[in-house]
Amino acid sequence: AQSVSQHNHHVILSEAASLELGCNYSYGGTVNLFWYVQYPGQHLQLLLKYFSGDPLVKGIKGFEAEFIKSKFSFNLRKPSVQWSDTAEYFCAVTGRGNQGGKLIFGQGTELSVKP
Amino acid sequence: NAGVTQTPKFQVLKTGQSMTLQCAQDMNHNSMYWYRQDPGMGLRLIYYSASEGTTDKGEVPNGYNVSRLNKREFSLRLESAAPSQTSVYFCASSSRTGSHTEAFFGQGTRLTVV
Repeated sequence: AQSVSQHNHHVILSEAASLELGCNYSYGGTVNLFWYVQYPGQHLQLLLKYFSGDPLVKGIKGFEAEFIKSKFSFNLRKPSVQWSDTAEYFCAVTGRGNQGGKLIFGQGTELSVKP
Repeated sequence: NAGVTQTPKFQVLKTGQSMTLQCAQDMNHNSMYWYRQDPGMGLRLIYYSASEGTTDKGEVPNGYNVSRLNKREFSLRLESAAPSQTSVYFCASSSRTGSHTEAFFGQGTRLTVV
């Protein structure tokens, strides 16, 4: 079955701490991978994406993620978080050539950054 | 450029009432989706439409129907609302150009069924 698992439901950090959010997926075939962010009261916005090529991808606001095919993982990282990074983060996967490119989401990780 | 527009933003229904959530995109995308978001469960796909004229069930289709009215519009209908359908609903769209299937989301509809 196709699924995405995010390891942490709620992460609390102080400003300037480093962040790593885990994401593992189960999906047959070649995949596209995404991290979306949802700030309080807002809709989902794309943070970064991996389609092919360099497995280390950089996104907006200093975020990056590494695709490790052998581990079926796509972990999100940021060296130094800010209070403004407080949000919910969703990992998502879609298969190449599947119907309509439908996205399968993980459960989400709520990040709270203390000033 | 408006992107994906959903209406209404908020709605309160009584059990058994019906309503339609509207969604329109102006990005000439082929694919459109309806998700529901519930605490601790992420986003779950209700229905999707790979292209104009086609619709398919997602993970949680029971109690919902959809219509892909044209390439721009994809509506979600609750025929007889139930409290279990209290949720935040998001519409999304994506292009099928090559393998670039990044999705763009609307602002969401917060639905409460009492």
